Amino acid sequence: DAKTTQPPSMDCAEGRAANLPCNHSTISGNEYVYWYRQIHSQGPQYIIHGLKNNETNEMASLIITEDRKSSTLILPHATLRDTAVYYCIVSRDYGGSQGNLIFGKGTKLSVKP
Amino acid sequence: GAGVSQSPRYKVAKRGQDVALRCDPISGHVSLFWYQQALGQGPEFLTYFQNEAQLDKSGLPSDRFFAERPEGSVSTLKIQRTQQEDSAVYLCASSPNRGRRQPQHFGDGTRLSIL
Repeated sequence: DAKTTQPPSMDCAEGRAANLPCNHSTISGNEYVYWYRQIHSQGPQYIIHGLKNNETNEMASLIITEDRKSSTLILPHATLRDTAVYYCIVSRDYGGSQGNLIFGKGTKLSVKP
Repeated sequence: GAGVSQSPRYKVAKRGQDVALRCDPISGHVSLFWYQQALGQGPEFLTYFQNEAQLDKSGLPSDRFFAERPEGSVSTLKIQRTQQEDSAVYLCASSPNRGRRQPQHFGDGTRLSIL
């Protein structure tokens, strides 16, 4: 089972910030938080990941709470092309046999004009 | 550069037939993953290769599923004696090195329909 909890769906107005929450209350110390998204009929696309500190790249920002039990993905100016299913995943950075991603059902974000 | 390429994009087969799905990872990527995605669900892990070695096949649902990557680049997922429950999208992903926090790059998948 996925170790994260996300709302099944969210709406966002075009041009507004989209804030997607994720709960991961059982996260352990060596697990990272990853975000991927999947646009209809395409494969998942990596967005961002983080461990403790907040992270920002050209696509999004990731805010992780101090206790690391939850996080928020922020798309600062959502466009219609951001309509997709967003997956929050926790995964170990581990040199052994682990490393496959465990997807849940994600949040279906609908950006509306 | 080219991303992960999967072929065919769509495959229709009759129940009982064997199918083979191909994945061309990004050149030089060491790690290769196969996932299965049922309609309305997130992808589920099937198997993992590091170069030509299959290090984890714990997600393969039955012994009808077989994957190989003989030269450490192209991989093939084979399903024997297909059944209707095998209908799904099969996704391939690659990354430069598994243990280094590199994101996985996914292909667009093969949509398999078993009649």
